[in-house]
Amino acid sequence: DAGITQSPRHKVTETGTPVTLRCHQTENHRYMYWYRQDPGHGLRLIHYSYGVKDTDKGEVSDGYSVSRSKTEDFLLTLESATSSQTSVYFCAISESIAGDPYEQYFGPGTRLTVT
Amino acid sequence: AQSVTQPDIHITVSEGASLELRCNYSYGATPYLFWYVQSPGQGLQLLLKYFSGDTLVQGIKGFEAEFKRSQSSFNLRKPSVHWSDAAEYFCAVGPYDKIIFGKGTRLHILP
Repeated sequence: DAGITQSPRHKVTETGTPVTLRCHQTENHRYMYWYRQDPGHGLRLIHYSYGVKDTDKGEVSDGYSVSRSKTEDFLLTLESATSSQTSVYFCAISESIAGDPYEQYFGPGTRLTVT
Repeated sequence: AQSVTQPDIHITVSEGASLELRCNYSYGATPYLFWYVQSPGQGLQLLLKYFSGDTLVQGIKGFEAEFKRSQSSFNLRKPSVHWSDAAEYFCAVGPYDKIIFGKGTRLHILP
């Protein structure tokens, strides 16, 4: 299994509070991704990173920000949590082959509940 | 724009029966194609991938998939399912810097 951990694994928070989720990898992979998974929607990309300090938006980035100051860590921040952000969040990593990303490996997920 | 369609939300098969899960994609060039499996409460695990070459791809756990360019399909197959195959299966298409996932097919196994 790829060395990917997510913390926390479960969190309950109140509407309006900021929340930060952490993804940590030990594989030295270049690409890192944050997805959310909701019933009927599959996985939707929130943000991704293609190197330290290099990030870009995915399809559902509103209300989320990310940071990557080290290769191994990719942080996802909900600036002011809302009930619509209740979801399971997955981190993934990928390496590149000849410049194109290879398959993604996923972390165990973080279940976030916003009350 | 790239997209992935998994037409079946749920599929139920009997243990020991054969399985085929459908996946259709839209992509402007030769795609990178993936199948992932997710057991309840778990993350996603890569079953197999297609980048180029032989269009019949073998994966883990006895699964295989066939890339058919003319049909824009990448269907997943298994000749005989086991109760442990009950899970959700996701097809995905890439490459570039993002992979697009289908919405998943949940597989139920009858004893």
